[in-house]
Order: sequence, then structure tokens, then C-alpha cells
Amino acid sequence: ETGVTQTPRHLVMGMTNKKSLKCEQHLGHNAMYWYKQSAKKPLELMFVYSLEERVENNSVPSRFSPECPNSSHLFLHLHTLQPEDSALYLCASSSSVAFWDYEQYFGPGTRLTVT
Amino acid sequence: GQQVMQIPQYQHVQEGEDFTTYCNSSTTLSNIQWYKQRPGGHPVFLIQLVKSGEVKKQKRLTFQFGEAKKNSSLHITATQTTDVGTYFCAGQDAGGTSYGKLTFGQGTILTVHP
Repeated sequence: ETGVTQTPRHLVMGMTNKKSLKCEQHLGHNAMYWYKQSAKKPLELMFVYSLEERVENNSVPSRFSPECPNSSHLFLHLHTLQPEDSALYLCASSSSVAFWDYEQYFGPGTRLTVT
Repeated sequence: GQQVMQIPQYQHVQEGEDFTTYCNSSTTLSNIQWYKQRPGGHPVFLIQLVKSGEVKKQKRLTFQFGEAKKNSSLHITATQTTDVGTYFCAGQDAGGTSYGKLTFGQGTILTVHP
């Protein structure tokens, strides 16, 4: 499946580094999402964008900074992360944010390790 | 805030046995979705249920949404090794003001022994 792509697939960074995760969807969707998946914890919604406007910020620390320049691209800028931020970061997209219409398509994820 | 609990956390079955995972929400849901994540993979959408008491089938998979729209179940008949993975339910709070916000259960990890 290549509907939603994410780069890089793996990232190791130190706590003082700055890096960015990239997500691109090729499905013509209007909504994009960032999720965090940690071991033994439910998927945690981080951010929701609808038509490039942030509609949900789920109490995420400011060291995570999202950017949605257009409806096909989503970035997650990372800086001064903590070891507990190590996780799989998943990007998803959906046709819209209306509940009847937002079957979500996930990308393969970026496995982030903070050292 | 809304909580979605899923049980069991793990299930080991012999190939051919049935499997059921249950999902319970602390609040009434507007809809519930089910996803499957293969080992090393990403969640893949299976189905969405919207109506109270709704039952949907996909081959060997049967999905139910409770009458009160607070619980749901996924039942797999005669499991196969290809059914291995983690099954997640995800629901949206019917009373919530935020849209596009799914709350995921912690998932049930299914292993199938041949």
C-alpha cells in the first residue's frame, strides 16, 4: 500500500537534536493525523488537521511541533526530546473529519529512538 | 475523558478455534471502528459501525455494536494463521465537541498456533 507514505522509517536522535518527520498522502484526503504508538499503550492521537487547519491538539508537549503546508503533506518537527518519546509515530489521513466519513488510512510509521 | 477498554489483552488460539475481542467505552459513542495491525505493520481499517445494535459480517469476521452504543465486539470464526495481529477498536464520543478524534482501545494481540 502506498496511499500514505512516511519518511524516515527509522530515526535515532539525541535529546538535543532537531529532526522532522514527513508524511505524504496520495489519496486526495482532506484530513491528516499524527498518532504516537508506545509499547503496551493505546494509540494516542496527537494532532488533527482538516484542510490544513489544526482542529485538535491533544495536550501534546511543545517539543512536538506539527506543520501542514497543504492537504497532502504533514510534518512533525521534533526538538529536545526525552527518552520516553521513543515510540512509533504514525501518520493517517481520511476523507474528512466528519465521523461518518473518516475511515483512517495509516502510513507505515517512523520508529523513533531518543538516546 | 473518554476511555475505551478492550479485553482480553492477549489471546492464544489453535488454528480453527474461534476468537472474540470485546470493547467497552466509558461514554456513548457516535460510531466505532475496528482496525487490524499485523506484527511490524501499521493499523489497517476493517469496518465502521454506526447504528445501535448493528451487526456486520466480513467473511469469517462478525462485528457487533451494542444497543446502548457503549460496547462492541469482533468475533472471528475458525481462525487461520493469517488472522495473527493486534485488533483495535476505536470510537468517537457522541457527546464530544471535537471531531475527527478517535479514542483507541489498547488492542487484543491474537496469536494462532498451527
